[in-house]
Amino acid sequence: DGGITQSPKYLFRKEGQNVTLSCEQNLNHDAMYWYRQDPGQGLRLIYYSQIVNDFQKGDIAEGYSVSREKKESFPLTVTSAQKNPTAFYLCASTPSGRGTGELFFGEGSRLTVL
Amino acid sequence: LAKTTQPISMDSYEGQEVNITCSHNNIATNDYITWYQQFPSQGPRFIIQGYKTKVTNEVASLFIPADRKSSTLSLPRVSLSDTAVYYCLVGDIRGNKLTFGTGTQLKVEL
Repeated sequence: DGGITQSPKYLFRKEGQNVTLSCEQNLNHDAMYWYRQDPGQGLRLIYYSQIVNDFQKGDIAEGYSVSREKKESFPLTVTSAQKNPTAFYLCASTPSGRGTGELFFGEGSRLTVL
Repeated sequence: LAKTTQPISMDSYEGQEVNITCSHNNIATNDYITWYQQFPSQGPRFIIQGYKTKVTNEVASLFIPADRKSSTLSLPRVSLSDTAVYYCLVGDIRGNKLTFGTGTQLKVEL
């Protein structure tokens, strides 16, 4: 079945360590997104990418990095520069070049910094 | 990018109709209005999308007035399983920057 796969579902990290969250989609979507969600809060945009080898900062990009070397993949690295990385991370995708569409979300990755 | 404003929370009872309104005063010509539902520890799910007037599908209706500065998601005969957070997203869904608002926590009771 087509969809978005995020891994790992749960991740623990020590302070000062970088960690990479995986996001893979087989929907042939052009655009991909990373959101962060804190308890009881809405979704905040970290980075987004409209095409391969191109990406833009969202509202809270500091302390994060991404790459888009393949259409199917949009990994997010949480660096040691991110001061409060414990959160629920959601990846999404959508086709671009159309006037309508929906965001398809993965099941999320929950990162806890010890 | 159009900023959205929604009520923080709403309470209802099973079997009632629930209407959640979203304000988006600076909506652009190319923007569509999309609603999502999110359960705890899950990714949001698409509910309905519209551009103007009224749209209806098997789970909800979306009412958009002529000026498009607001929209109302209508959930008929809610059940306990409709307890969730509902987000209004306004934007040109073509790979552009898509920012969610704070959402509305709907609680349905018996």
